[in-house]
This record gives sequence, C-alpha cells and structure tokens, in this order.
Amino acid sequence: GPKVLQIPSHQIIDMGQMVTLNCDPVSNHLYFYWYKQILGQQMEFLVNFYNGKVMEKSKLFKDQFSVERPDGSYFTLKIQPTALEDSAVYFCASSSGLGGNTGQLYFGEGSKLTVL
Amino acid sequence: QQKVQQSPESLSVPEGGMASLNCTSSDRNFQYFWWYRQHSGEGPKALMSIFSDGDKKEGRFTAHLNKASLHVSLHIRDSQPSDSALYFCAARTSGGNYKPTFGKGTSLVVHP
Repeated sequence: GPKVLQIPSHQIIDMGQMVTLNCDPVSNHLYFYWYKQILGQQMEFLVNFYNGKVMEKSKLFKDQFSVERPDGSYFTLKIQPTALEDSAVYFCASSSGLGGNTGQLYFGEGSKLTVL
Repeated sequence: QQKVQQSPESLSVPEGGMASLNCTSSDRNFQYFWWYRQHSGEGPKALMSIFSDGDKKEGRFTAHLNKASLHVSLHIRDSQPSDSALYFCAARTSGGNYKPTFGKGTSLVVHP
C-alpha cells in the first residue's frame, strides 16, 4: 500500500541543539500532519499543513517548532532549540483529502527523538 | 476533557476469542470515525472506517457506529496473536477542524 517514509528513524541530540525530522509523504497526497507519541501512548496532534501553509496547530506545537515543505522535497519538522520534554516518537502522516475516505491518514514508521 | 475516550485501557483475550473495544466521543460534530492499529515499533495503520450508523464488517473485524449515543465499537472475532497491538479510535468533524482526534488507545493482547 501507500508508504510514508521518515528519516531518521532515531536521533540522539543534546538539549539546546537543533533537529530536523524529514518525511516523504505518499506521492499524490496533499495534506500533511505531525503527531507526537510518548512511551507508546496517545497520538497527540501537533500540526497539519496544506498548500504551503499551516492549517492548524496544537498547544504542543511550541514556538521552537516549525514545519515546511519546499517544492518537491521533504515535509520537515524542525525543533530549535530542543528541550528534554521533546523526547518522543514523532509520526508523520499524509492524506489525499479531508473527506470521509480521503481523510484516512497514512503514517510513517516514526522518528524517535532522544534529547539528552 | 478528552474528546475521544476509549475503553478498556487494556484487554486480554484467548486465541480464537472475541475482542470488543469501545470508543465514545464528546463532540456531536464528529462525523467520521476510524480504527487504527499500531504494532510495537511501527506507525499506526488504518484498520477500518465507519461513517454511517450501523455495522460495517471486513473479514474478522466488525465496526459499529451509533451517532445518537456518540459511540463506536470494534469487534474482532477469532482473535489471533498477530492482533496483539494498540488500537486507536480516531474521529473528525465534517468541516472546520480538519485533524483527526485520537483516543488514548486500547492495548490488546491475544494469548495462545
């Protein structure tokens, strides 16, 4: 089935450093999402993105977070500077639309971020 | 308040048994519901969607939706050890709020 690719699968960095998580969405999808998951628990929405713009962001999407998708490249989540509480698995997802069937999310395998 | 609540938090069933998972939403604007399954170390994958009242059956999986009571359920018959995973209920409104909202998940263990 359709696949979402996430790079890196695991990143260890020191607190205060910058990290960029990369996502290659399903090729014909238009809507992109980032979710945060801690310790295999709830999937918490961070942000969604369409046509070069943020559609909605949650309270978890701090000022240190940013997203972009330059033409033809990865959909990225950048955290600068990182904090200890940013340690989590970050999942990228994409969907072809927002309706019933088109609103189904396709997730990547996640990028595990460890902030020391 | 959690907008999508799932129960139970964890569930253990014998191989071949029936697993029943529940989901209740507090937002009457939710129109679209999905069940996602996440195996350990992987990303969630959509299992089933349900948008209309009643039952929807796909193989061993049956979803049931009652919009009046804001309740969705997932029933897995003839459960297999490979069904052991974290199951999320997700809901979305028909407009405005475009993101699917996830519940906290139900951890299912199917033991041989």
